[in-house]
Amino acid sequence: IQMTQSPSSVSASVGDRVTITCRASQGISSWLAWYQQKPGKAPKLLIYAASSLQSGVPSRFSGSGSGTDFTLTISSLQPEDFATYYCQQADSFPLTFGGGTKVEI
Amino acid sequence: QVQLVQSGGEVKKPGASVKVSCKASGYTFSNYDINWVRQAPGQGLEWMGWISTHNGNTNYAQKVYDRVTMTTDTSTSTAYMELRSLRSDDTAVYYCARGLVSGFYFDYWGQGTLVTVSS
Repeated sequence: IQMTQSPSSVSASVGDRVTITCRASQGISSWLAWYQQKPGKAPKLLIYAASSLQSGVPSRFSGSGSGTDFTLTISSLQPEDFATYYCQQADSFPLTFGGGTKVEI
Repeated sequence: QVQLVQSGGEVKKPGASVKVSCKASGYTFSNYDINWVRQAPGQGLEWMGWISTHNGNTNYAQKVYDRVTMTTDTSTSTAYMELRSLRSDDTAVYYCARGLVSGFYFDYWGQGTLVTVSS
């Protein structure tokens, strides 16, 4: 299953609302996760099952969608949110990631 | 607290093998599966495979399936990933990641191990 993210990069300011899209090449129900990765660090799970917020993740992060189209929204961008975001399908092997979206100042 | 601590960086020549370890602590090892994910320099994330810590079942990515072996040692709560016949395009940071019980999502990650393949 191919995962396609858009955009590949986005420029935004603190306080902006940011939306990242992920499209699966076939239906994956709600088997989708979102991760945040900062340079030199391991990825961090933000959202799983398309819309479930991982424990400890701020509520400004939200996920939606099912089937083939999914969205990660950051409601009010904070300085610590500048990072690269990846979607990942968990529907079937081989598990696959999107290409990433870099959120820049 | 849950921790996954990986072995240190390696430099290997083409054709050699590498074995990366991932020692878990802070939870019951056999209750959560382990996945391995790699990231080439400046590139995205690539899933390499999954191992059940309960029964040792595995599933490997097509790209590496004939060169990779994933194992676990429940007595030491350690997972291993061995990659053989290394090529230059295997140069990457290799991560182990714990799988959620509710699905193939990765809630805790190791710190990463840089494997450099160079002649």
